[in-house]
Amino acid sequence: QKEVEQNSGPLSVPEGAIASLNCTYSDRGSQSFFWYRQYSGKSPELIMFIYSNGDKEDGRFTAQLNKASQYVSLLIRDSQPSDSATYLCAANSNSGYALNFGKGTSLLVTP
Amino acid sequence: EPEVTQTPSHQVTQMGQEVILRCVPISNHLYFYWYRQILGQKVEFLVSFYNNEISEKSEIFDDQFSVERPDGSNFTLKIRSTKLEDSAMYFCASRLGVYNEQFFGPGTRLTVL
Repeated sequence: QKEVEQNSGPLSVPEGAIASLNCTYSDRGSQSFFWYRQYSGKSPELIMFIYSNGDKEDGRFTAQLNKASQYVSLLIRDSQPSDSATYLCAANSNSGYALNFGKGTSLLVTP
Repeated sequence: EPEVTQTPSHQVTQMGQEVILRCVPISNHLYFYWYRQILGQKVEFLVSFYNNEISEKSEIFDDQFSVERPDGSNFTLKIRSTKLEDSAMYFCASRLGVYNEQFFGPGTRLTVL
């Protein structure tokens, strides 16, 4: 079973702080990794994706990938209360077609 | 900005009935997907569709499920005989290429009574 693991949280950070979300995956064949944000009752909304080892920055978000450790992370700088949501980590399946999702980490940003 | 659309937003059906969930993927995308999310659980892959055929399916996608692209814009998921455990949010997604980002529609909440 190809698994994507995330700490369910909740992760609570004060407004303006850095939120750090982590994810591990078991399928060494996965090549691309995605972070989605999901508000309660809504669909996943893409934040960013990464496929090369290292860091990738997009505005307040930085994704980090370490394929040797099978580890993906998402940093959110200057966290805002509107960032409070569940963050889903997903990995492309070995075949390339499907996304395997983790259960998500609930983030709460307190004013 | 182009987006994936889904109809209906909420479908209520009786156990044993057939339902068809509809999706309009982003117009230039080539890969189409259905996922489901049971309340409180993770998003689960059901099926992917490319070049008018199923390219991959999960164990969930059994003989009760089928997909179709009846014309150049719509992509449908049919559940032949619904069960109580089919109650979930069903998300359609599309992507331009196999390693590009997948964009999700707003979902259809299916309630089986």
